[in-house]
Amino acid sequence: DGGITQSPKYLFRKEGQNVTLSCEQNLNHDAMYWYRQDPGQGLRLIYYSQIVNDFQKGDIAEGYSVSREKKESFPLTVTSAQKNPTAFYLCASREQINQPQHFGDGTRLSIL
Amino acid sequence: AQRVTQPEKLLSVFKGAPVELKCNYSYSGSPELFWYVQYSRQRLQLLLRHISRESIKGFTADLNKGETSFHLKKPFAQEEDSAMYYCALSGRGSGNTGKLIFGQGTTLQVKP
Repeated sequence: DGGITQSPKYLFRKEGQNVTLSCEQNLNHDAMYWYRQDPGQGLRLIYYSQIVNDFQKGDIAEGYSVSREKKESFPLTVTSAQKNPTAFYLCASREQINQPQHFGDGTRLSIL
Repeated sequence: AQRVTQPEKLLSVFKGAPVELKCNYSYSGSPELFWYVQYSRQRLQLLLRHISRESIKGFTADLNKGETSFHLKKPFAQEEDSAMYYCALSGRGSGNTGKLIFGQGTTLQVKP
């Protein structure tokens, strides 16, 4: 199921640096989501977008930013304001209300 | 508060033994419940959802609104069932954004 592609698979960030994680989907899904996965904490919602040019903050949006200029793309930027960025980041998309979410393979972000 | 709780971090059973992964939730409204599974080196994928009431890979889960639970069960565990399992909920009805609230996850280890 190559419908959602996340890149890169591994990413390293230096202190004070912003980094951008890519998420692309070819499923023609309207809604897209970014989650952060930490051991023992499950997945927590960072940002989501239900339609192009619109997005909302999730539960842990501080230190992150997103854009949704195209339906198929929902990049996540981890800014220098995010003090604990080391985590596994998962992107998901959903066709419409009441349909389940489909997930990408994830990006593992670490601090240099 | 909206919350999903999976009380067990790790559940270890022998092959052929019954399995029950517990999930309790707190939600003010009518939720939809899901079980997602993440096998080693694979992406997170939907295992089952309560509204479809189907059995996938021998797993079933019944929504108990009185006990606010959605436990995942399988009568005879197989080694290939070893994975991380997440319980999640989403709101239903108008205004539903489709965002998922995840539990902390339970690692199922099936020993030969």
